[in-house]
Amino acid sequence: EVQLLESGGGLVQPGGSLRLSCAASGFSFSSYAMSWVRQAPGKGLEWVSGISDSRGTTDYANSVRGRFIISRDISKNTLYLQMNSLRAEDTAVYYCSGTFHIWGQGIMVSVSS
Amino acid sequence: DIQMTQSPSSLSASVGDRVTITCRASQSISSYLNWYQEKPGKAPKLLIYAASSSVGGVPSRFSGGGSGTVFTLTISTLQPEDVATYYCQQSYSIPYTFGQGTKLEIK
Repeated sequence: EVQLLESGGGLVQPGGSLRLSCAASGFSFSSYAMSWVRQAPGKGLEWVSGISDSRGTTDYANSVRGRFIISRDISKNTLYLQMNSLRAEDTAVYYCSGTFHIWGQGIMVSVSS
Repeated sequence: DIQMTQSPSSLSASVGDRVTITCRASQSISSYLNWYQEKPGKAPKLLIYAASSSVGGVPSRFSGGGSGTVFTLTISTLQPEDVATYYCQQSYSIPYTFGQGTKLEIK
């Protein structure tokens, strides 16, 4: 079964850090470009970051560039999002996605004091 | 950044109706356009990619069209299970921006 499973979310104080993980199974993870997409409460979808399939080229939305780092471990079939200097406006459900065809169930990140 | 604008923002239609949602890009994106269906508490589901290519398993009543800057998602015969919010997204250039969403309800 093709599956993406996010973990690592939770409540963090402003300025804090969190690392999200996304475990892939049932497909050739190394062959897929992967992305993180978020949705703030009651809001629309926002693409956050992406990493290419082969060269591992990374890209970021302006809103997170310099604070978030996307990476992948092919040996573990896992995608990561290291989130630093978190702000209240980063509060959202975070989804990992494979070429936008495959989606995880989402994980909540709340930034609040 | 490329801006994506959907219309209408909300829509109420009857079962059996033909429904069309429009998505406009602020510049040409060729056919790099995806359509998603999102239901409450669920992850987005890709319906259409490359403007008009249907994802396997998606009911045939969903179709996409357009190129350049204007795109459409059409539901040929609305069903009760189609109640959802629909988003378009351009995959032409980074950042891969989404439209604001169209909330579809049944009359």
